[in-house]
Amino acid sequence: AQTVTQSQPEMSVQEAETVTLSCTYDTSESDYYLFWYKQPPSRQMILVIRQEAYKQQNATENRFSVNFQKAAKSFSLKISDSQLGDAAMYFCAYRSTNFGNEKLTFGTGTRL
Amino acid sequence: EAGVTQSPTHLIKTRGQQATLRCSPISGHTSVYWYQQALGLGLQFLLWYDEGEERNRGNFPPRFSGRQFPNYSSELNVNALELEDSALYLCANSLVPDRGHDYGYTFGSGTRLTVV
Repeated sequence: AQTVTQSQPEMSVQEAETVTLSCTYDTSESDYYLFWYKQPPSRQMILVIRQEAYKQQNATENRFSVNFQKAAKSFSLKISDSQLGDAAMYFCAYRSTNFGNEKLTFGTGTRL
Repeated sequence: EAGVTQSPTHLIKTRGQQATLRCSPISGHTSVYWYQQALGLGLQFLLWYDEGEERNRGNFPPRFSGRQFPNYSSELNVNALELEDSALYLCANSLVPDRGHDYGYTFGSGTRLTVV
């Protein structure tokens, strides 16, 4: 079974600064998807960024980028030029590509 | 286009009672996923329905059950409620129909279940 670990329960950052949230995962699969979700106080889970394991290039979405290290099974999220609206819980998630196992496996989250 | 909608927003039940939570997916999306988010924990996968059938189930006792209707809306039923069932229950669709699993999921705002 896959596991996702977020070792930072809480992080803080000043406006306009950069912060990196850590995520590691464990899997025996070679192909999979990784996601970062944001959950503000409104409780709505919002997809921030997505990475396909077979792509070596790190995904980028505006101020959000990832550092995907497949061999190390690491998937960190970098938020640049931080804004007040970035304050939220951030969850790292894993999804298998195996048919019938499309569920997301989440980490315990990092409060920013 | 309306997103994933869940009802009720809040639900308070007494231990031993049954709770029914509802989810309406985005029009045209046939897959519905249910997750439990207990305080201090990440989201735990509960159930996956597609085309009216249960496709996968998480590590939860049988008193957690559900169903999917012909219009693809879904119900989650929790029988014999226990205090530790208190949590936020989230429903999700794939972002894109059919092979949308690859693109992530869109979530409803959840139902906050409190068991007293």
